[in-house]
Amino acid sequence: DSGVTQTPKHLITATGQRVTLRCSPRSGDLSVYWYQQSLDQGLQFLIQYYNGEERAKGNILERFSAQQFPDLHSELNLSSLELGDSALYFCASSVTGGEFTEAFFGQGTRLTVV
Amino acid sequence: TQLLEQSPQFLSIQEGENLTVYCNSSSVFSSLQWYRQEPGEGPVLLVTVVTGGEVKKLKRLTFQFGDARKDSSLHITAAQPGDTGLYLCAGAWTTGRRALTFGSGTRLQVQP
Repeated sequence: DSGVTQTPKHLITATGQRVTLRCSPRSGDLSVYWYQQSLDQGLQFLIQYYNGEERAKGNILERFSAQQFPDLHSELNLSSLELGDSALYFCASSVTGGEFTEAFFGQGTRLTVV
Repeated sequence: TQLLEQSPQFLSIQEGENLTVYCNSSSVFSSLQWYRQEPGEGPVLLVTVVTGGEVKKLKRLTFQFGDARKDSSLHITAAQPGDTGLYLCAGAWTTGRRALTFGSGTRLQVQP
């Protein structure tokens, strides 16, 4: 158990809909990262938050947004969903988010868009 | 674009064989990590290497960081079926964005 909690584990929704994925980081970790992993692919970095502020942005679509709350949990919002958004979405957390950061991953949310 | 390439993409071997997985970039890493991911699970950190030329061992796994900090390798001795999984390297560069960037992974299957 990495200490990072993601909910829900599975999500099935229709095209055009909006969903929210939730992540609770390890106790004491200030930084949260979101990654997308399509079938048999590596992890694509979406966005990073550190202590409530956006720190780095990757290949995140405009239809997607995220935030980190004062209690440090984070939510990833996906809207106007398309079939191609079906993927595993992982959240990771780390203590600081600096260059030598070691990230600990949750078990992911499997999103299926039908 | 900072790319991190892994090879081979797929590897199917028999139990007891040795193997090496490679991770390469044209840029210098400030640090590099290796993760292992099993189906339906999140990646699990195996090791972090920081210093050029560094070698770290984790039981039958040996991790090496290139002298120039542009490449890394993972060597598994006497592979076992329990080693089966997706091996991912992830790098942070001396310049550029702070988040870890992952390679596409090497999918290893060890047949009993």
